[in-house]
Amino acid sequence: DGGITQSPKYLFRKEGQNVTLSCEQNLNHDAMYWYRQDPGQGLRLIYYSQIVNDFQKGDIAEGYSVSREKKESFPLTVTSAQKNPTAFYLCASSRKAGVRQPQHFGDGTRLSIL
Amino acid sequence: DQQVKQNSPSLSVQEGRISILNCDYTNSMFDYFLWYKKYPAEGPTFLISISSIKDKNEDGRFTVFLNKSAKHLSLHIVPSQPGDSAVYFCAASPNNNAGNMLTFGGGTRLMVKP
Repeated sequence: DGGITQSPKYLFRKEGQNVTLSCEQNLNHDAMYWYRQDPGQGLRLIYYSQIVNDFQKGDIAEGYSVSREKKESFPLTVTSAQKNPTAFYLCASSRKAGVRQPQHFGDGTRLSIL
Repeated sequence: DQQVKQNSPSLSVQEGRISILNCDYTNSMFDYFLWYKKYPAEGPTFLISISSIKDKNEDGRFTVFLNKSAKHLSLHIVPSQPGDSAVYFCAASPNNNAGNMLTFGGGTRLMVKP
């Protein structure tokens, strides 16, 4: 059963800590994305990657970092520099650029500050 | 600068009637449009898309209409069912060969009353 797996579903962070959110896909998609959703708002793009070992900043990349060492995996690190990290984080993937098609999403990770 | 706007934060409809969700965009480079449905604490699920070469696309109870001159699209759900109650996001992608990059609207919460 192909899909996108995000873990954990809930995550708590202490002030000053870095935390890493996992995103794995077995859809053989080339492109992967990270979004943030705040209450009552739409999705905002944090980072995206079109190919392994390459990634680009989205609209709100400050305080976040990513890596793309494997096609299947695109972990997101929320660093202590992110001043307002409490949000719902969504990972998505799609086939390679040039093929117009939807992104497919995981079920998200809710991050809260202790 | 919101390039994709959903001006109605919520919509309430009686079961069996038509639901019409609206979306406006400002970027004339957008040429591929999508609607997603989202339940609380889950990722968005792709519903239906439309390319700018068409003005209508239909899939079962869901129809998307695109008015390029007005930079407006709408999603019609008929007949509406209680299970359709969710937040609906419209999204748009530009024709700049940068992959399937999406810009999302803020969402409309649909409530279908039995």
